[in-house]
Amino acid sequence: GQSLEQPSEVTAVEGAIVQINCTYQTSGFYGLSWYQQHDGGAPTFLSYNALDGLEETGRFSSFLSRSDSYGYLLLQELQMKDSASYFCAVSRYGQNFVFGPGTRLSVLP
Amino acid sequence: GAVVSQHPSRVICKSGTSVKIECRSLDFQATTMFWYRQFPKQSLMLMATSNEGSKATYEQGVEKDKFLINHASLTLSTLTVTSAHPEDSSFYICSARERGATDTQYFGPGTRLTVL
Repeated sequence: GQSLEQPSEVTAVEGAIVQINCTYQTSGFYGLSWYQQHDGGAPTFLSYNALDGLEETGRFSSFLSRSDSYGYLLLQELQMKDSASYFCAVSRYGQNFVFGPGTRLSVLP
Repeated sequence: GAVVSQHPSRVICKSGTSVKIECRSLDFQATTMFWYRQFPKQSLMLMATSNEGSKATYEQGVEKDKFLINHASLTLSTLTVTSAHPEDSSFYICSARERGATDTQYFGPGTRLTVL
């Protein structure tokens, strides 16, 4: 089977930097994605890593280490609007995405 | 680009009735669409994978006869919740994967189903 682990909650203040970790166990790993979901809304795509290393997209960066089955999402210059749930998701060869349990980020003023 | 729509966004129905939810890819061809269910404060749980022109593949524990999925074209998949009960009340979200893509899926805005 497959499993993903994320911290359930993270709290930080505006302007800070926060890192949300994701560890996974799966066969046929293809890539790791990150999604943001605000309360009542649908997930929106943030980033994707298929190769080891850091991918940067504006204030958000995502990292992957395939050998460690580990990745993280880094959010810089936090804003109040970043308060949301963040999900990592594993895609596997020829198969479906599996989502992690989600991390609820609260940004305080 | 890569917009997915769902209709309706909210539906309230009586127990025992059936509800149909549509998922459309507006500007791309989706050979594969996915249907998820999400309960409050929980993660997305994949219900089934819908491939155009073939029968849907259901995840373990999901009743095929209760959640009917049809993927009749490259831009439309429907989920019908038959004989809905209060425990079926949830947030149903579809996503679509573009033809030839394996690493990205685009989500619809979701449908909030409330069964009274």
